[in-house]
Amino acid sequence: QVTLRESGPALVKPTQTLTLTCTFSGFSLTTIGMSVSWVRQPPGKALEWLALVDWDDDKYYSTSLQTRLTISRDTSKTQVVLTMTNMDPLDTATYFCARASYSDYALFDYWGQGTLVTVSS
Amino acid sequence: QSVLTQPPSASGTPGQRVTISCSGSNSNIGINTVNWYQQLPGTAPKVFIYSNNQRPSGVPDRFSGSKSGTSASLAISGLQSEDEADYYCVVWDDSLHGLVFGGGTKLTVL
Repeated sequence: QVTLRESGPALVKPTQTLTLTCTFSGFSLTTIGMSVSWVRQPPGKALEWLALVDWDDDKYYSTSLQTRLTISRDTSKTQVVLTMTNMDPLDTATYFCARASYSDYALFDYWGQGTLVTVSS
Repeated sequence: QSVLTQPPSASGTPGQRVTISCSGSNSNIGINTVNWYQQLPGTAPKVFIYSNNQRPSGVPDRFSGSKSGTSASLAISGLQSEDEADYYCVVWDDSLHGLVFGGGTKLTVL
């Protein structure tokens, strides 16, 4: 059974660094074709892709946010961590992690439930 | 401003056919496959069409996808109230070296 679960602070202050963890089970991120992405959604707004890490430890970032993002996976390959620096109230959003397989980075077959992060002083 | 352009809204009455478009460019839709997601309020998105026109198991055959050039479309025939949701297209962009989502279309069943 594949599951993903996001965890992290619900509230961060402007200029702080956000660290989110996606803990997954039921698959291995080293299996060829697998990847985990982070996607966010501000309240009432559209989905926005942030970053992904794949089975080969290749990493890709949204060009508009790449200077602020770092994605990594742990050595046990059951967690993917996203850090976002210099948080701003505009970064208030629900952050999802999602798995893609079959070598199609855009084919998300499993999602976490999402975690709401509010940026406020 | 999204790289992929979708109409912000669409609507139809029960039983009607509606189409949602997704317009991109030669670096994304023009050379890569498009996936479509349905998102109900307060839930994570769910894939409804992948590889331009393939339906995952469990998705009604009322849903279909197509692609031509740098545009893609999601069609829903025999519209039902349960289809009321937000729909997003997503594709890999070779120029940006990343994924891009459309701005989303809110479908209302009148």
